[in-house]
Amino acid sequence: GESVGLHLPTLSVQEGDNSIINCAYSNSASDYFIWYKQESGKGPQFIIDIRSNMDKRQGQRVTVLLNKTVKHLSLQIAATQPGDSAVYFCAETYAGGTSYGKLTFGQGTILTVHP
Amino acid sequence: DAGVIQSPRHEVTEMGQEVTLRCKPISGHNSLFWYRQTMMRGLELLIYFNNNVPIDDSGMPEDRFSAKMPNASFSTLKIQPSEPRDSAVYFCASSLGLAGDQQYFGPGTRLTVT
Repeated sequence: GESVGLHLPTLSVQEGDNSIINCAYSNSASDYFIWYKQESGKGPQFIIDIRSNMDKRQGQRVTVLLNKTVKHLSLQIAATQPGDSAVYFCAETYAGGTSYGKLTFGQGTILTVHP
Repeated sequence: DAGVIQSPRHEVTEMGQEVTLRCKPISGHNSLFWYRQTMMRGLELLIYFNNNVPIDDSGMPEDRFSAKMPNASFSTLKIQPSEPRDSAVYFCASSLGLAGDQQYFGPGTRLTVT
């Protein structure tokens, strides 16, 4: 029979627009969060990270926002370019117990940028 | 810097055969992670090592899977015997340590078991 895969959220934007990708994380004890970008046929690539003592961090064209109250993480990409088209994953971890250093990845969001 | 190196990049094998995936972490990194990515389950952590010692192998699916890290510059993930449901992309990643350190991923090995 036909296999059923994950139905990843998708986001389509025009080149030059700003993109916002959202992620809900599960563990209220998580204290370190990372966004990864994965292009077709490649491994995930680090974009930006944030620790739980911060609520915002900016990089080059990217900003990560953390809302611990509602366990929500977002990635904002300014002036989105066709080269930004990829699957974006959020990941969480916490420095405690036997899970120390273990990243838990979200299911991913497919970003498509149209020229 | 060469980054994380994985071999082979593609592997096609028949059900029942032994498969060995290899990984060379970034020099100086003390932690190494093996992940599996499928359409059904997304990206899953299988096992990770710190200073060549396995820390958490709770993600290893079953006894057919085993991983070793004999030294700081080499790790293997072995599947014996392989089954069609093991078909996936297997990633290796390394980081300086564990405490909130960025993980650098290799290009992956695409395994197909027929």
